Amino acid sequence: KAGVTQTPRYLIKTRGQQVTLSCSPISGHRSVSWYQQTPGQGLQFLFEYFSETQRNKGNFPGRFSGRQFSNSRSEMNVSTLELGDSALYLCASSFIRAGSSYEQYFGPGTRLTVT
Amino acid sequence: DQQVKQNSPSLSVQEGRISILNCDYTNSMFDYFLWYKKYPAEGPTFLISISSIKDKNEDGRFTVFLNKSAKHLSLHIVPSQPGDSAVYFCAASPSSASKIIFGSGTRLSIRP
Repeated sequence: KAGVTQTPRYLIKTRGQQVTLSCSPISGHRSVSWYQQTPGQGLQFLFEYFSETQRNKGNFPGRFSGRQFSNSRSEMNVSTLELGDSALYLCASSFIRAGSSYEQYFGPGTRLTVT
Repeated sequence: DQQVKQNSPSLSVQEGRISILNCDYTNSMFDYFLWYKKYPAEGPTFLISISSIKDKNEDGRFTVFLNKSAKHLSLHIVPSQPGDSAVYFCAASPSSASKIIFGSGTRLSIRP
């Protein structure tokens, strides 16, 4: 079974621009979550989509948005980029068996550098 | 407010011995707990998880123990191998959603 894929792997943008990142979850996984990882803040939850609906949202400004398509693929968009948005953006797909197990698998991430 | 805490930023263990990584949490609503391993410049790799209805889950060399009354969980790796050297993250999630809260990580080094 193929893992979580993210494109692009690396991206350089300038302040004020916008960026779209893409994530394809593991086949059969309907939940996709996005995280931001920075050296100072660690792994921080951005949002989670399930069946094309945003089910959870972290504490990030409205410049960060996302969506999920009917095939469970997800995109994340950041508008009006700031220097502080430079980070590794990770996508994860998850599968939960109620009361039994919860597995979440991460993709390799997209390294975004804002200059 | 850190809901998931890993108080040891680093741990060094001799190869072949047991590695014990600890994690504390504050939110009693957490129903699932997960452990991840992370190498630099890569996404976290899922290792093992445990539901709050259990107190132990084992998978090969990895065992996770959950003490709900103490709001504490630990990951045991035995025997420790050089390839286990990485940063380990503890994470927790309420059952109603998959919003996962991560700890700050513990860097495990396995020395020969």
